[in-house]
Amino acid sequence: EAQVTQNPRYLITVTGKKLTVTCSQNMNHEYMSWYRQDPGLGLRQIYYSMNVEVTDKGDVPEGYKVSRKEKRNFPLILESPSPNQTSLYFCASSRTGFQGYTFGSGTRLTVV
Amino acid sequence: GENVEQHPSTLSVQEGDSAVIKCTYSDSASNYFPWYKQELGKRPQLIIDIRSNVGEKKDQRIAVTLNKTAKHFSLHITETQPEDSAVYFCAATDIYNQGGKLIFGQGTELSVKP
Repeated sequence: EAQVTQNPRYLITVTGKKLTVTCSQNMNHEYMSWYRQDPGLGLRQIYYSMNVEVTDKGDVPEGYKVSRKEKRNFPLILESPSPNQTSLYFCASSRTGFQGYTFGSGTRLTVV
Repeated sequence: GENVEQHPSTLSVQEGDSAVIKCTYSDSASNYFPWYKQELGKRPQLIIDIRSNVGEKKDQRIAVTLNKTAKHFSLHITETQPEDSAVYFCAATDIYNQGGKLIFGQGTELSVKP
């Protein structure tokens, strides 16, 4: 089944403890992206990647890192999480820019 | 950079009525405009999209119109049904120069009352 898989689905962590949210797609898509969703603010793009080893900042990249070492994987790294990073995170992928993104199921992160 | 404004933030209609959601964008170079539907507790899903070389696109009860001069685009849902109740997001990007940088509007919560 063609899909974007994120893990974990839910995560509660403490301030400052490094964490990684994994994202994998099995559709051989070129484009991948991370979004965060907060009430009233819609979906805000954190980082995106147009190919292996090519990443670029979205609108809210502060406090996040990404890497694209393989085409299928695009992990999101929070080196030192803070409570303002509590949010619902979505990974997404697209074969080309003109086909829109397919979203994963989301990761609900709480930083206390 | 691109900025997308979406209105209204909430919309309530009676079953069978039409619903219209409007978005404006700031970057005249934007050339791809997708719409997503997000049901409660679920992921956003692409429902329709339009490229800048087309003025209108239709898919059954859903249509999208684009006015490049005014830099706005709209989603039209006809004969609404309760299962259309969801949050709808518009988005815009310049595919040729910004690739995967897709900017979303703030969302419209549509409620269809039986």
